[in-house]
This record gives sequence, structure tokens and C-alpha cells, in this order.
Amino acid sequence: ETGVTQTPRHLVMGMTNKKSLKCEQHLGHNAMYWYKQSAKKPLELMFVYNFKEQTENNSVPSRFSPECPNSSHLFLHLHTLQPEDSALYLCASSHAPRDPYEQYFGPGTRLTVT
Amino acid sequence: DAKTTQPPSMDCAEGRAANLPCNHSTISGNEYVYWYRQIHSQGPQYIIHGLKNNETNEMASLIITEDRKSSTLILPHATLRDTAVYYCIVRLSEKLVFGKGTKLTVNP
Repeated sequence: ETGVTQTPRHLVMGMTNKKSLKCEQHLGHNAMYWYKQSAKKPLELMFVYNFKEQTENNSVPSRFSPECPNSSHLFLHLHTLQPEDSALYLCASSHAPRDPYEQYFGPGTRLTVT
Repeated sequence: DAKTTQPPSMDCAEGRAANLPCNHSTISGNEYVYWYRQIHSQGPQYIIHGLKNNETNEMASLIITEDRKSSTLILPHATLRDTAVYYCIVRLSEKLVFGKGTKLTVNP
């Protein structure tokens, strides 16, 4: 248990559906992150939020829409996804994103797009 | 961010020390070395980090060479639960850039 929770843990959705992934951290951190891990590929950073402000968008398609209402919660809204978007989506949090620090990861949401 | 090079896989006998190497020859003076691991289908777990000096915590030891161009993560008494992919990361900015890591298999 890292103090970072993600729901749902598994999600199957059609290409025309709209769904949201939720992340919550109980560590008092002020930075939160979304990563994507496709099969047999390294983790890819998607978004970074620092004090609720988005500071990084790593060229992510607009069908992925993040939302950070406060420093403890992070959402990833999904719409009109493609089968290649099937992956493990990981949320992480940390103190302010500067060295030295460590990121604490949640267990991930396994997403399957049909 | 400096790039790192790790062997794709390693094996270790249970109870023995696991020594995982990492080359980061282009590291700059103020870049930290971080190690994470990822057990199958779970989120990555922070292990340890260092800048210049060797570091030790309850999970592992980190040995950084004097020229800082390479480092070694040491798990002193590997257990079956240490089987995972281990990532060596060198970063300066807010991004952690994960490579392919080393798949460590601890055998009984």
C-alpha cells in the first residue's frame, strides 16, 4: 500500500464510450502524474500536475483529458479511444517535482478498448 | 536527461546478493540516480536514490563510481519476492524517463 489509490482497477470500454479513471493520494503531496504502460513497452509519462496546474503534456492525444481539482485527486477522462490505447494506466504522486524526491505509484487501471 | 544502459535480464539465487549494474556515462554533475522496480502488473516502487555518495536503506544499497558514470544496485539477500523489473533512471527535470530496465529473476 503506497498511499495512492486508483479506481477502477480494470475497465473494458467500447470505442464510442466515455469513461473516467480516478486517482487519489493520501500522502500530502502536491504533484501528481499520469503514465501509460503498453504491453512490452516502457512507461510513458502523459501528464504532470503541480499544485493543480498542468505543467507537462507529453504530446498526448486529445481523446485523453486530465483533470486535477485539488492536490489529492487526479482524473483521466477518456472518450472515443482506439484499441491501441489498451494499456495499464498508472497514477503517481510526489512532493514538488524537483530533486531529490521519489514518486509513489498507484496499482494502476488495466484498460481494454474493444 | 542522461540515458542509462542496463542488461535486459539477470538471474540470482535466493539468499544471495543481487548486483544490478547501470551505465550512465553522460550524467551531469547535478543529476541524481534513481532506482525503481516493478513487480508484474503492479505500479513501480521507489527503491533508492543517490547523487555522489553511496547510499543504503532498508531495501538496498546504491554504489556510485567516483566518476559517476555507472552505479550498482545491491539487494543483499535476494528473495523470491524481489523478482521484478528494475529501472535505473537519471534525471534532472521533473520527468522520470523509464527505460526497459533489467528483469531480475530470483531462483529458489
